[in-house]
Amino acid sequence: DTAVSQTPKYLVTQMGNDKSIKCEQNLGHDTMYWYKQDSKKFLKIMFSYNNKELIINETVPNRFSPKSPDKAHLNLHINSLELGDSAVYFCASSQANSQSPLHFGNGTRLTVT
Amino acid sequence: DAKTTQPNSMESNEEEPVHLPCNHSTISGTDYIHWYRQLPSQGPEYVIHGLTSNVNNRMASLAIAEDRKSSTLILHRATLRDAAVYYCILREDNAGNMLTFGGGTRLMVKP
Repeated sequence: DTAVSQTPKYLVTQMGNDKSIKCEQNLGHDTMYWYKQDSKKFLKIMFSYNNKELIINETVPNRFSPKSPDKAHLNLHINSLELGDSAVYFCASSQANSQSPLHFGNGTRLTVT
Repeated sequence: DAKTTQPNSMESNEEEPVHLPCNHSTISGTDYIHWYRQLPSQGPEYVIHGLTSNVNNRMASLAIAEDRKSSTLILHRATLRDAAVYYCILREDNAGNMLTFGGGTRLMVKP
């Protein structure tokens, strides 16, 4: 069973469109995250979210918004896509303590044309 | 998170031990040292973590300097499957559980 699953695996879309990436975890974790990995391979935290608190990396444009229908899901919605949004997006989950390892999905490769 | 410094890349021969260094001279008393790796076309994968004492698990060993300003991830017998980017990360106790990744060390394993 896949612990953290993301869909779709690949997403190609045009500038200006709105798109969503879905993430689900079956580990019973209470905290979920979104990371962005750009073409230079740097992994940057975008959001950390549990049922009490959303922490946003201040560099993330407000076109990006996480939406969590329940504890097992954290979807990433992106409005008005730009060329610079092209990257691989990783979802992750963990328990809410600093020792709990993060479990990552296999990523969604977003290409904006 | 406090910063870490790692070599950009390292090479190893298959079946030999690998020692991946990490400097974290500004570490604070409550920072845990975490190691993750990212294999090609996959998400990062947890390897090991520790606070003060050396740690062993089925994947690797973590040796932490007495002053905690550096640590070394040890792969006891490198395999081709261990070729990946290895990230050393300091995780603060009150950082909202977020991990901040640096550039990591790209490990190449030669047959």
